Amino acid sequence: EVQLVESGGGLVQPGGSLRLSCAAFGFTFSTFEMTWVRQAPGKGLEWVSYISPNGDIMHYANFVRGRFTVSRDNTQNELYLQMNSLRAEDTAVYHCVKGSWVDFFGQGTLVTVSS
Amino acid sequence: DIQMTQSPSAMSASVGDRVTITCRASQDINIFLGWFQQEPGKVPKRLIYAASTLEGGVPSRFSGSGSGTEFTLTISSLQPEDFATYYCLQHYTYPRTFGQGTKVDIK
Repeated sequence: EVQLVESGGGLVQPGGSLRLSCAAFGFTFSTFEMTWVRQAPGKGLEWVSYISPNGDIMHYANFVRGRFTVSRDNTQNELYLQMNSLRAEDTAVYHCVKGSWVDFFGQGTLVTVSS
Repeated sequence: DIQMTQSPSAMSASVGDRVTITCRASQDINIFLGWFQQEPGKVPKRLIYAASTLEGGVPSRFSGSGSGTEFTLTISSLQPEDFATYYCLQHYTYPRTFGQGTKVDIK
């Protein structure tokens, strides 16, 4: 059974940084593309970032490019999202997602950017 | 970026109704479109990918159609568990983009 377990969310001040992690279970992580998707409270889904199976290709939404960095450790079956220069509008639940076609969502971790 | 526009943004329907939701892309995306369902308080779940391929375990009352720039999600006979918000996503190019969502509630 596929499981994606996110962690690392919390309250951070504007301009601060946070690193999200996602532990993957139930599939061969190293062979799959991975994605981050976020959802602000009461709002719709927003695609954030993509990483290729071996981590050599990344893509980002315009609103996070230059501030967020996606990475992965295939030896640990983990996906990461380093978030810098955080803004109030980055407040959202961040979901780790299997596949570049957005196959399966983890439960998410809440990031709150507020002073 | 490709813009995805869903219509309507919200709708009221009754159990047994046929429901149609439209998603339009700002440029040709071939058949690279997915549909997602999000029940209140739950994680989104993919229903359809590649415009018309039903995810395993998804009831056959759900169907998808379209290609190019116009796509449709149809629920042939709305059930109580189908009251939810539906999103489309283009998986043709990067950055991927979602539609703004269509909320289906009870009339």
